[in-house]
Amino acid sequence: DVVMTQSPLSLPVTLGQPASISCRSSQSLVYSDGNTYLNWFQQRPGQSPRRLIYKVSNRDSGVPDRFSGSGSGTDFTLKISRVEAEDVAVYYCMQGTHWPGTFGQGTKVEIK
Amino acid sequence: EVQLVDSGGGLVQPGGSLRLSCAASGFSFSSYEMTWVRQAPEKGLEWVSYISPSGSTIYYADSVKGRFTISRDNAKNSLYLQMNSLRAEDTAVYYCARDPRGPDVWGQGTTVTVSS
Repeated sequence: DVVMTQSPLSLPVTLGQPASISCRSSQSLVYSDGNTYLNWFQQRPGQSPRRLIYKVSNRDSGVPDRFSGSGSGTDFTLKISRVEAEDVAVYYCMQGTHWPGTFGQGTKVEIK
Repeated sequence: EVQLVDSGGGLVQPGGSLRLSCAASGFSFSSYEMTWVRQAPEKGLEWVSYISPSGSTIYYADSVKGRFTISRDNAKNSLYLQMNSLRAEDTAVYYCARDPRGPDVWGQGTTVTVSS
């Protein structure tokens, strides 16, 4: 299985400051159709995961533009330009290129 | 509104069985690949099973292969997961989700607890 490694696993951030989460895959996530199926999810306590970013850098409808995704091949990043209180959650990267899809361990974002 | 509603969870003894259901609405269910994902208490997310739109292609995680069976009824807009020979390590919240390559719609989850 493809191993997804996130860092850091815990991220204390001051309100209004930026935050960045790294995700590395154990093999390339470029699929045969040319797409890279790397997604980012937000999971608030007691809630289902919510997709924020799909195919590396595409923001889902309704997702604030302070969230952005970047990367290629095996190295990917989720950035929050200015953290707000509602961003407190666990963030997961996930690859859907290879079966089975696999998730990173999760990064807990909290307010410092 | 596009929606998935999970049901069927509960408390079951080791070795027992449960059947989870996922009711879809607001989209053309028969056109979509579907999947089950689970989350053990205080743990991360784990893929369980995949099914193609027609049901002709199915995959399972190694941890559930031979014990779980995924199926769908496109006429009823429903997805199922039959879970047999349940173990303590199957205790988790189970979510159905649409589009396994990048799940964009998730159910609210149903809790399965395997304990004597």
